[in-house]
Amino acid sequence: AQKITQTQPGMFVQEKEAVTLDCTYDTSDPSYGLFWYKQPSSGEMIFLIYQGSYDQQNATEGRYSLNFQKARKSANLVISASQLGDSAMYFCAMSASGGYQKVTFGTGTKLQVIP
Amino acid sequence: EPEVTQTPSHQVTQMGQEVILRCVPISNHLYFYWYRQILGQKVEFLVSFYNNEISEKSEIFDDQFSVERPDGSNFTLKIRSTKLEDSAMYFCASSEGAGWANEQFFGPGTRLTVL
Repeated sequence: AQKITQTQPGMFVQEKEAVTLDCTYDTSDPSYGLFWYKQPSSGEMIFLIYQGSYDQQNATEGRYSLNFQKARKSANLVISASQLGDSAMYFCAMSASGGYQKVTFGTGTKLQVIP
Repeated sequence: EPEVTQTPSHQVTQMGQEVILRCVPISNHLYFYWYRQILGQKVEFLVSFYNNEISEKSEIFDDQFSVERPDGSNFTLKIRSTKLEDSAMYFCASSEGAGWANEQFFGPGTRLTVL
């Protein structure tokens, strides 16, 4: 079974500052993928970034980067130069080889960017 | 950019009624999913579908639920006799391939309200 833990229910960040959203995971599968999704107040789920368990380098997508520490089983999302439009819920998720195709989500972190 | 679409965006129904939620996955994707998110809670996997068959389902996906790909583009979730606790946001997702290395792209969701 897979488990995702997000311990920060809410975070504030000043506009233009960087912010790190924490995520730890647990799985016994050697092969897995880690994802981050953004959910604005309108409700849709927007895929942000993906990290595979065998990837040697941390994933980056524009202002998003994933700080992957395999030994600690953490996959923190770093958003650089925060913008007001970044205010949303952020979900960490994973898919593992033993879980077929399903994605397991964490409880989410609500990020609010302050002007 | 190709995207998953869902209709309707909001559905209100009476308890005991049948509802059908519709999704059009990304055209070259072969794997389809339904998830639900009860208000304020995390996203939960319901079912995955490939080659006109259910490939995995969760314990939530009981006999009241069914999925179908009635034609080459639509993917539907039917709830036969809705209950109050079925009120949630329902997300359809699709992926090009299966397994942990394939990101799933989500639709905008259908908000189901059961009265």
